[in-house]
Amino acid sequence: GAGVSQSPRYKVAKRGQDVALRCDPISGHVSLFWYQQALGQGPEFLTYFQNEAQLDKSGLPSDRFFAERPEGSVSTLKIQRTQQEDSAVYLCASSIRTSVNTGELFFGEGSRLTVL
Amino acid sequence: SQKIEQNSEALNIQEGKTATLTCNYTNYSPAYLQWYRQDPGRGPVFLLLIRENEKEKRKERLKVTFDTTLKQSLFHITASQPADSATYLCALAGDKIIFGKGTRLHILP
Repeated sequence: GAGVSQSPRYKVAKRGQDVALRCDPISGHVSLFWYQQALGQGPEFLTYFQNEAQLDKSGLPSDRFFAERPEGSVSTLKIQRTQQEDSAVYLCASSIRTSVNTGELFFGEGSRLTVL
Repeated sequence: SQKIEQNSEALNIQEGKTATLTCNYTNYSPAYLQWYRQDPGRGPVFLLLIRENEKEKRKERLKVTFDTTLKQSLFHITASQPADSATYLCALAGDKIIFGKGTRLHILP
């Protein structure tokens, strides 16, 4: 596609529900990143994939957060038993580069999660 | 722990003047530094990248400097316009790419 696509754009969940957020990166982009952005803050790193391999998941805040990219393209961020503090915008970014620390990131518009 | 600070949460600049934003970092040795622009409700958009062995980079009205001794980057927008109003994010690339909080820039007409 022309850019990084994320869905849903908005998600309202009741506390305790599970949610799944989808990211469709730019075709051919090897690297994929997930970030969490709270209101008025910068993006916080969650996890990084190179193709289907999850090379860094050090930013995932708890074991309720799980990400996958089984075929090295589309990625899903899953949050189990959502809590109010999970309310944030979840940003996905992709890069054509194979190394985590080279090249610009192309971001999607984000998925805004509100947990009631 | 690694820390990135952007000089202020908000900055008001008169149209036509130069806006200067600051990014300072500690406990980090980035291979390079990037600046992004973020508009409300949108994802960040890449603007410029500067490597650790480069002192300065320019792109149209934008200029970035990178001082690895001071652990600081300055981001300049010359001849600022109201359309430049946005949040500007500094990002450091080392073993991962980490972002500052951002500075909300308002260009006043």
